Amino acid sequence: SQTIHQWPATLVQPVGSPLSLECTVEGTSNPNLYWYRQAAGRGLQLLFYSVGIGQISSEVPQNLSASRPQDRQFILSSKKLLLSDSGFYLCAWGPGTGGSQPQHFGDGTRLSIL
Amino acid sequence: AQSVTQLGSHVSVSEGALVLLRCNYSSSVPPYLFWYVQYPNQGLQLLLKYTSAATLVKGINGFEAEFKKSETSFHLTKPSAHMSDAAEYFCAVVGSGTYKYIFGTGTRLKVLA
Repeated sequence: SQTIHQWPATLVQPVGSPLSLECTVEGTSNPNLYWYRQAAGRGLQLLFYSVGIGQISSEVPQNLSASRPQDRQFILSSKKLLLSDSGFYLCAWGPGTGGSQPQHFGDGTRLSIL
Repeated sequence: AQSVTQLGSHVSVSEGALVLLRCNYSSSVPPYLFWYVQYPNQGLQLLLKYTSAATLVKGINGFEAEFKKSETSFHLTKPSAHMSDAAEYFCAVVGSGTYKYIFGTGTRLKVLA
């Protein structure tokens, strides 16, 4: 069966520090991978998605970036965090065949910026 | 393009009462629709999905939803609420042949004893 791992679960970082959040998927090949941010009362905001290694689509211009160095690995990064980057970050995967099947989510990372 | 509207950011029901969470969608292509549940500090868990096989979809934990094309709706229902149903619920749509899932802003369900 497929599983998705996301870490760390919680993170407290000072303003201006770098960020690296990692997500890996097991049990499937060629998944589509997604990063979302969830702010209170605002639902899920799609940040990035990837349909293959090295292929990243950015949905929201900001100081975050994403990379996909391996088929089942998706990394969210920042060189300098802002206070507005605080939130709950969720990684998800979906089948590479398109949207007829649901996404599956990791347990999320709670990021607090001080 | 696709979009989702969830009416009511907060819904309260008594234990044992009917649960009705509303979702309306917009899609320029045949849609696939999903309902997810999220418990505090956890990821989203799939409740049910509509993929055109049947308009009435049954999911986990006694939930079901009906796809109504004429009303562009996909409301989530459960006949009898349980305390454990207290959570946030998200409706999502994705267009056929696309990869972007669009989520509603969520509805927080509170179950009163």
